[in-house]
Amino acid sequence: AQSVAQPEDQVNVAEGNPLTVKCTYSVSGNPYLFWYVQYPNRGLQFLLKYITGDNLVKGSYGFEAEFNKSQTSFHLKKPSALVSDSALYFCAVRDSNSGYALNFGKGTSLLVTP
Amino acid sequence: EAGVVQSPRYKIIEKKQPVAFWCNPISGHNTLYWYRQNLGQGPELLIRYENEEAVDDSQLPKDRFSAERLKGVDSTLKIQPAELGDSAVYLCASSPSASPLHFGNGTRLTVT
Repeated sequence: AQSVAQPEDQVNVAEGNPLTVKCTYSVSGNPYLFWYVQYPNRGLQFLLKYITGDNLVKGSYGFEAEFNKSQTSFHLKKPSALVSDSALYFCAVRDSNSGYALNFGKGTSLLVTP
Repeated sequence: EAGVVQSPRYKIIEKKQPVAFWCNPISGHNTLYWYRQNLGQGPELLIRYENEEAVDDSQLPKDRFSAERLKGVDSTLKIQPAELGDSAVYLCASSPSASPLHFGNGTRLTVT
């Protein structure tokens, strides 16, 4: 089965510093990987995806993610964190057994302090 | 474009009562998903529709959960009877086949 793992429950970073939220994947075949963000009492918002091509994927709100096949990782990054980036971040992989449905990780809570 | 609309936003019921959630997907999106998100967890797929056909309901607890998508547009998810463990956020999402999923704000269900 296609799955992702987010090893950190919470990431703390000071505003202005770079941030990284980690994700590793386990798939058979080519991975289709996604990052979503969830603000309190809201649904999930799409940030970016990797299907094929460049290993560095740029997305919304200044976020980017680096696909690393040898390490089976897809870490989310941002060069300079904002307090407003504080939210829940979910890594996801397309489930090849269910069309374009996604299997999500358990999420990482990002807290950016002023 | 208008987003995915879900109602109600919040629902509190006693165990053994029935409950229903409604979803209106983005216009033109033929694929609709229902996910359940337990506290502190990522969303888990319950059922996927392609137009009006449920093409993947393997994770739907069919003894108490049911869903329908009449005319391939709006969808309703029902639980009857509800149990304490059903307390969660129920998320609806839609997509135009190969594109990323667009999520609604969800319905937070509390079963007492």
